[in-house]
Amino acid sequence: KAGVTQTPRYLIKTRGQQVTLSCSPISGHRSVSWYQQTPGQGLQFLFEYFSETQRNKGNFPGRFSGRQFSNSRSEMNVSTLELGDSALYLCASSRGGENNYGYTFGSGTRLTVV
Amino acid sequence: ILNVEQSPQSLHVQEGDSTNFTCSFPSSNFYALHWYRWETAKSPEALFVMTLNGDEKKKGRISATLNTKEGYSYLYIKGSQPEDSATYLCASYSGGGADGLTFGKGTHLIIQP
Repeated sequence: KAGVTQTPRYLIKTRGQQVTLSCSPISGHRSVSWYQQTPGQGLQFLFEYFSETQRNKGNFPGRFSGRQFSNSRSEMNVSTLELGDSALYLCASSRGGENNYGYTFGSGTRLTVV
Repeated sequence: ILNVEQSPQSLHVQEGDSTNFTCSFPSSNFYALHWYRWETAKSPEALFVMTLNGDEKKKGRISATLNTKEGYSYLYIKGSQPEDSATYLCASYSGGGADGLTFGKGTHLIIQP
């Protein structure tokens, strides 16, 4: 059974550019959540999508957005990149019963903004 | 407690010894507590999800307890092995989950042969 797949693994972008990250959940998982990890910080919740609808949103500026497609694949977009957006971005999927089984995480996309 | 806090931040343990560490979380509006193990260059892996006060869960040599009234959880590792070296994350789900999981910064465990 394939795990959660995130692409690309690594990305270097310039300040002011925009970036799109992709996450393919485990087959049958309808919930996809996104988290950001910066040095010295715990994982910070960005947003969660369930059945193509944003269900929850963390405390991030509007430059961070996402969407989910009918096949449950999700994309996250960051516009007008800032140096502080350099981070590891993780996505996690679940059937929707994450408080029974927990989340399955991808390997992450490491974004460097220069 | 407003955030999820984990202690200690890092821990060196001799192979074969047992160890434990703590996760403190907001007890109000509590819904669930997750534990994950995150090995270097890998993805975080779910260990336990606990919801009920007094819950105890076990997976091999690793076990966890939960006290929702006082807002803490302990993770125990019995007879540590080198493969237990990882960062252990706890995360709290509260208030209907509007903020997703709130993660602590983790306990970085190093098992010394």
